[in-house]
Amino acid sequence: SYVLTQPPSVSVAPGKTARITCGGNNIGSKSVHWYQQKPGQAPVLVIYYDSDRPSGIPERFSGSNSGNTATLTISRVEAGDEADYYCQVWDSSSDHPCVFGGGTKLTVL
Amino acid sequence: EVQLVESGGGLVQPGGSLRLSCAASGFTFSSYWMSWVRQAPGKGLEWVANIKQDGSEKYYVDSVKGRFTISRDNAKNSLYLQMNSLRAEDTAVYYCARGLLWFGEFYFDYWGQGTLVTVSS
Repeated sequence: SYVLTQPPSVSVAPGKTARITCGGNNIGSKSVHWYQQKPGQAPVLVIYYDSDRPSGIPERFSGSNSGNTATLTISRVEAGDEADYYCQVWDSSSDHPCVFGGGTKLTVL
Repeated sequence: EVQLVESGGGLVQPGGSLRLSCAASGFTFSSYWMSWVRQAPGKGLEWVANIKQDGSEKYYVDSVKGRFTISRDNAKNSLYLQMNSLRAEDTAVYYCARGLLWFGEFYFDYWGQGTLVTVSS
């Protein structure tokens, strides 16, 4: 089945830019969706179709996808952005169509 | 406001059964795919199962095929997960999630708060 690879952790100072990557074979040919999960809470969709933002998600959150890497970018990072972030794709040709990355813990220094 | 409220979790012995429920409100339930996604303690997200709007299509992760059954009752705005032959590795928080399928791409736009299932003797 399709595999998505995320770095276990990313650290960034407040006000700086955080970039969280999601690697996969030719992932640029798929749509990537991103979820934020704060401790003890349910996941929240923050980016869908590579770069679209649901209503209520700050413009500081953006996404891109090309080649073998998709990236979630968080600009002007705030303490409240500290969370786990997961990428997800749907591989309709697979017996295991829904795949999540292993997650990245974003720490705000 | 979209709301998804799970119930039915608890402690069960290995080999036992449990039925999870998800009560949906704030949207036209019968118009959406629905899913179960689980998260083992301290681990990442794992998709478990999907069901189409009318229940005619169902998909499962390999590890639960033959043991878990997803179903829905559109008249009651409810989603279910019947879990049989439970194993220790099924221990997780189980989330109900609303799914969107568009041109072959699927993602989850709303999630419930989850219900904890613990399989232990």
